[in-house]
Amino acid sequence: GQNIDQPTEMTATEGAIVQINCTYQTSGFNGLFWYQQHAGEAPTFLSYNVLDGLEEKGRFSSFLSRSKGYSYLLLKELQMKDSASYLCAVRGPGGSYIPTFGRGTSLIVHP
Amino acid sequence: EAGVVQSPRYKIIEKKQPVAFWCNPISGHNTLYWYLQNLGQGPELLIRYENEEAVDDSQLPKDRFSAERLKGVDSTLKIQPAELGDSAVYLCASSPGRNQPQHFGDGTRLSIL
Repeated sequence: GQNIDQPTEMTATEGAIVQINCTYQTSGFNGLFWYQQHAGEAPTFLSYNVLDGLEEKGRFSSFLSRSKGYSYLLLKELQMKDSASYLCAVRGPGGSYIPTFGRGTSLIVHP
Repeated sequence: EAGVVQSPRYKIIEKKQPVAFWCNPISGHNTLYWYLQNLGQGPELLIRYENEEAVDDSQLPKDRFSAERLKGVDSTLKIQPAELGDSAVYLCASSPGRNQPQHFGDGTRLSIL
C-alpha cells in the first residue's frame, strides 16, 4: 500500500512564495501528481514528476526526490485565487497506474 | 475541448432510497474513473474502466454500489439502497490512457437524510 502525508493547512501572504510538502511511503513508485482543487470544484492537474528534480511551469514548480520519498509544490507570486486545496497523489507499483491521493493541503492566501 | 460532465450536481435523498449519477467523459478518453471524496480528504477510487471493461473495482462496495459504462463512453454509478455514510462528493474522471493525468468533473454532492 501507500502512505501519503501532507500538511492539513497553510497560510501565506499575497505576493509571497509558499512550499507545500508531500512525503510518501510506497512499495513501488511510478510517478507523483499535484492537483489543485477549489472548494466545490473539480481537481485540476498541475504537475507530474517521475524523475528526480525540479519541473517548472510558470508560477508553479514541483520537485521530486525518489530516494527520500519527498516532493514539494512551490507557488511563487501568490495570488488570492491560489487559495485552494492542493492534492499530492502517488502512483504505485503494478500496471494499473492508479494514483493514491493524500488528504490535501488547504492553502489560504490573505492580503 | 469540453471537460468531463457530471450530473446532477447535487442530490438529496432519504436513506434506503436508490440514487444514480451520470458521467460523460472527454471525447476520446478510453479510461474512466469514479471516485468518492469526503470533506477534507483526497479522492478515493471506486472503480476504473478501460473502454467498457471494469477493472480495479476492489474498492467498490458491491452489495449496494454498481456501475456500468455501456459502449465505452458515458457511465453511470448507482447506489441502492443509500446509507447515511454514503454522503460525499462522487467524482468522475477520464484520461486518454491509464498512464496519463486525469481530468475530473465537478462531481455530484450527495446528501443522505
